[in-house]
Amino acid sequence: AQSVAQPEDQVNVAEGNPLTVKCTYSVSGNPYLFWYVQYPNRGLQFLLKYITGDNLVKGSYGFEAEFNKSQTSFHLKKPSALVSDSALYFCAVRPKGSGAGSYQLTFGKGTKLSVIP
Amino acid sequence: ETGVTQTPRHLVMGMTNKKSLKCEQHLGHNAMYWYKQSAKKPLELMFVYSLEERVENNSVPSRFSPECPNSSHLFLHLHTLQPEDSALYLCASSQGQAPAGTPTDTQYFGPGTRLTVL
Repeated sequence: AQSVAQPEDQVNVAEGNPLTVKCTYSVSGNPYLFWYVQYPNRGLQFLLKYITGDNLVKGSYGFEAEFNKSQTSFHLKKPSALVSDSALYFCAVRPKGSGAGSYQLTFGKGTKLSVIP
Repeated sequence: ETGVTQTPRHLVMGMTNKKSLKCEQHLGHNAMYWYKQSAKKPLELMFVYSLEERVENNSVPSRFSPECPNSSHLFLHLHTLQPEDSALYLCASSQGQAPAGTPTDTQYFGPGTRLTVL
């Protein structure tokens, strides 16, 4: 069974500084990896995904994530944080394959990002 | 967020009530999902429908009853709920088709219904 760990419940960063939100995963075989963001009282919004190819994936709102197979990690990054980036961030994994359950996303518990003005 | 809409946005109900949550997707997708989001817990997948057929039911209590009349609409019928069922219920859709969808599919979420069971 696949699993996702987001080791930090909360990350605080000053506006203008680079930010990193960590994610590690466990899955049989190669994974598909996703990042979502949730603003207060809103649903999840898709940010980016890793399918194959370049390990550095660029997504919405200036975010990017780096797939590291040896470390089984998929950390979310942004060079310069904005106050408006403050939200809850979720990492998710899905195994490659076409069998039953391959559509199932397994989510981490989420990391609350606070960007301080 | 207008691609997937959910109504109502907030719902308060007693344990003996019957209510329904509605989800509608305007993206032309073939698969729809119900998730439960509780505080400090990962999102829990409840049900998956693909081309209007249920393909997943993750051991959800029978007091939750899904219905998918067509590929654009998904309902979650609620009856005799418990206070621990209070949560944010999220609907999502993706392009995938039965039985397993395409693994690279992105799921797009609605804004959720905040349910409080008294």
